[in-house]
Amino acid sequence: DIQMTQSPPVLSASVGDRVTLSCKASQNINKNLDWYQQKHGEAPKLLIYYTNNLQTGIPSRFSGSGSGTDYTLTISSLQPEDVATYYCYQYNSGPTFGAGTKLELK
Amino acid sequence: QVQLKESGPGLVQPSETLSLTCTVSGFSLTSYSVSWVRQPSGKGPEWMGRMWYDGDTAYNSALKSRLSISRDTSKNQVFLKMNSLQTDDTGTYYCTRDDLNNSFDYWGQGVMVTVSS
Repeated sequence: DIQMTQSPPVLSASVGDRVTLSCKASQNINKNLDWYQQKHGEAPKLLIYYTNNLQTGIPSRFSGSGSGTDYTLTISSLQPEDVATYYCYQYNSGPTFGAGTKLELK
Repeated sequence: QVQLKESGPGLVQPSETLSLTCTVSGFSLTSYSVSWVRQPSGKGPEWMGRMWYDGDTAYNSALKSRLSISRDTSKNQVFLKMNSLQTDDTGTYYCTRDDLNNSFDYWGQGVMVTVSS
């Protein structure tokens, strides 16, 4: 199975900061990667599909990039409502999620 | 609008079988696939399996021997059955609509399942 390693596990940032979350796959996943946001007590929500495509209705401050084994979710200007846990998900082979990055306000 | 809702027992005895139902509205099961995703408390989600729009199924290799997914298109329902439950099967179980990219674009509210005697 492909292992997805997210870093850091916890990230503290201030409102207005540019925030970068990382996801590393144990092998090439050919950009077959999504990002999901999960707020406390809620179901996950699709943010980015196929590495860099913004899901409908998601603010443009969210963006994704990457290739091969290394992928990134960027929030250009952190807002209070972005406090959540973020998961990467690969569907190249034997679909797997990462363990998540918990994003907190400093 | 698109909606999915999971239903089933909140408590299951160890070694017993879990049966869950996902009732959907706002889309057709013959046009979209539906997945089951579970999440232990405080941990990342785990994709369990998929009912493809054409009636085929796909399963997580780690669960395949215990898991069965089926559907009733006339009732707009997708079913999950998993046997030989253990305590580490405790968690929230979600059904999702899978879009054309096989991304999970809509999620149900989830149902909490506890495996305990």
